[in-house]
Amino acid sequence: AQKVTQAQTEISVVEKEDVTLDCVYETRDTTYYLFWYKQPPSGELVFLIRRNSFDEQNEISGRYSWNFQKSTSSFNFTITASQVVDSAVYFCALSERAGNMLTFGGGTRLMVKP
Amino acid sequence: NAGVTQTPKFQVLKTGQSMTLQCAQDMNHEYMSWYRQDPGMGLRLIHYSVGAGITDQGEVPNGYNVSRSTTEDFPLRLLSAAPSQTSVYFCASSYSLFKRPAPSYNEQFFGPGTRLTVL
Repeated sequence: AQKVTQAQTEISVVEKEDVTLDCVYETRDTTYYLFWYKQPPSGELVFLIRRNSFDEQNEISGRYSWNFQKSTSSFNFTITASQVVDSAVYFCALSERAGNMLTFGGGTRLMVKP
Repeated sequence: NAGVTQTPKFQVLKTGQSMTLQCAQDMNHEYMSWYRQDPGMGLRLIHYSVGAGITDQGEVPNGYNVSRSTTEDFPLRLLSAAPSQTSVYFCASSYSLFKRPAPSYNEQFFGPGTRLTVL
């Protein structure tokens, strides 16, 4: 069975600091998909990124970057120069079956203080 | 497009009461699912459907029923609510990667959530 572990339950940083959110996953499949979602205080889930298991290229989108390493089964998320608006709960998720059903990690609550 | 809609947004029930959480999508997605979110546990899959007339159980199906009579709607029924079902419920939809031609991008679209309290 698949499993996603986000060991950091809460992280607190001061604005402009860089922060990395860790995600470690377990799966027996060779084809799988990894996701990151953001849940701001308003409660909705905001899709950030999807990666498939055949694409180990790291990705950068503005202040966000993702590091996918199959060798360590990790898919870490870095926010550069954090801002107060980044304060949210961030979820890492894994999908094996055709990229549909998601297994979520427990989430990391990020608090960015001014 | 309205995307994925859920009603109600908030609900308070007494133990033993029944109710249906509504979910609808207007994107012609084959795949729909229900998750519950509990503190520290992320979201867990309750039930899912790969198309009209087809449903299956997820990780935590006990106490919930679903049906999928149309592509658009996927209601979640609580037949006899229990305090352990106090949670935030999210509905999601997406294209199936079994669809041909296969979509190149499979994003899950989530509804805004329903906060349910069972007293």
